[in-house]
Amino acid sequence: DQQVKQNSPSLSVQEGRISILNCDYTNSMFDYFLWYKKYPAEGPTFLISISSIKDKNEDGRFTVFLNKSAKHLSLHIVPSQPGDSAVYFCAASDFGNTDKLIFGTGTRLQVFP
Amino acid sequence: EAQVTQNPRYLITVTGKKLTVTCSQNMNHEYMSWYRQDPGLGLRQIYYSMNVEVTDKGDVPEGYKVSRKEKRNFPLILESPSPNQTSLYFCASSFGRGREDSYEQYFGPGTRLTVT
Repeated sequence: DQQVKQNSPSLSVQEGRISILNCDYTNSMFDYFLWYKKYPAEGPTFLISISSIKDKNEDGRFTVFLNKSAKHLSLHIVPSQPGDSAVYFCAASDFGNTDKLIFGTGTRLQVFP
Repeated sequence: EAQVTQNPRYLITVTGKKLTVTCSQNMNHEYMSWYRQDPGLGLRQIYYSMNVEVTDKGDVPEGYKVSRKEKRNFPLILESPSPNQTSLYFCASSFGRGREDSYEQYFGPGTRLTVT
């Protein structure tokens, strides 16, 4: 049972345009959401997070939006750069009860010139 | 430099030969975890530890053991590896609940294991 889903395995975007990566979840107890970025031959690195009490969080070119009623979150990257090409994982947790993170299957983003 | 280290980075072994993948962190983190990454399945948690001598099963614990005798180390043990354990393994750590940044897990570089 996949509690966190990333239905797009890949996304291709032109440099300078917006990249939108989507994530859906099924567990209404999740109260914290994170995005990780992974380059080949490296471990995932934390990118941005959002608490369930918010609906938006920004950090430079990266913005995460949370729609609790739809159990959906998205990561926006504006403007996209070639260095953003990586696999992006969405993760969620019920941190009120556990330290456990549940990861999605990942979306491979390619930003081309 | 704050980091999580794993060794070895690459390992090819045969079915049934016991192996250990080491993990160490220098950030005084309480929480440590092991994941495996497989195509189409994302990152799945194998075991985790909330502190020294406290470990618990994740989603896919079968065939694995862990120990947490010291805060900084969290080795992953495969007593009798099988080909279905061929995967990319990641160790991660974080401060754990109670801190604002506690949810951010820091990952090691990964260990690619092949069991023939």
